[in-house]
Amino acid sequence: EVKLVESGGGLVKRGGSLRLSCEASGFTVRDAWMSWVRQSPGKGLEWVGQIKSTADSGTTDYAAPVKGRFSISRDASKNTLFLQMNNLKTEDTAVYYCTKTSGSFDYWGQGALVTVSS
Amino acid sequence: DIQMTQSPSTLSASVGDRVTITCRASQSILRWLAWYQQKPGKAPTLLIYMASSLDSGVPSRFSGSGSGTEFTLTISSLQPDDSATYFCQQYNGYPITFGQGTRLEIK
Repeated sequence: EVKLVESGGGLVKRGGSLRLSCEASGFTVRDAWMSWVRQSPGKGLEWVGQIKSTADSGTTDYAAPVKGRFSISRDASKNTLFLQMNNLKTEDTAVYYCTKTSGSFDYWGQGALVTVSS
Repeated sequence: DIQMTQSPSTLSASVGDRVTITCRASQSILRWLAWYQQKPGKAPTLLIYMASSLDSGVPSRFSGSGSGTEFTLTISSLQPDDSATYFCQQYNGYPITFGQGTRLEIK
């Protein structure tokens, strides 16, 4: 059974940093395409970025609003995906979801709330 | 960026009704479209991928159709458990984009 569990959310001041973790089970993260998707309170869904499987180069892609500030990585030994968020802005406040991706987002974690205060 | 526009934004229907939600893309996305259901306080779940392929475990009353720029999600016989918000998503190009959502209420 595929399971994704996010952690690391919380309250941070504008300009600060936070790292989200996503522990996966039921599959190997290095063999999967993984994405982060966020949802602002009462708003829609926004793709944040992705990391390709190791076999498909392992490269990352990011949405324009977070490029240069956010970074996606993984630790194969812990079967965990990470989202490093730097220079946070108030508009980054959202629930962040870790997803297993095959184009569509096939599996989702429960989400981690990130609140950026001014 | 490819813009995804859903209609209607809200929908109210009765149990047993046939319900259709439309999603339009600002340019052709072939059949690279998915539909999701989201209930309050929960993560979205995949319903349909490749415009018309039902994900495993999804009830057969859900179906998807379309190609190019116009797509539909149909619920053939609405059930109380279908009260939720539905999103479309294109994965033909980056950035991946979502529709704004359709909130479906049961009368």
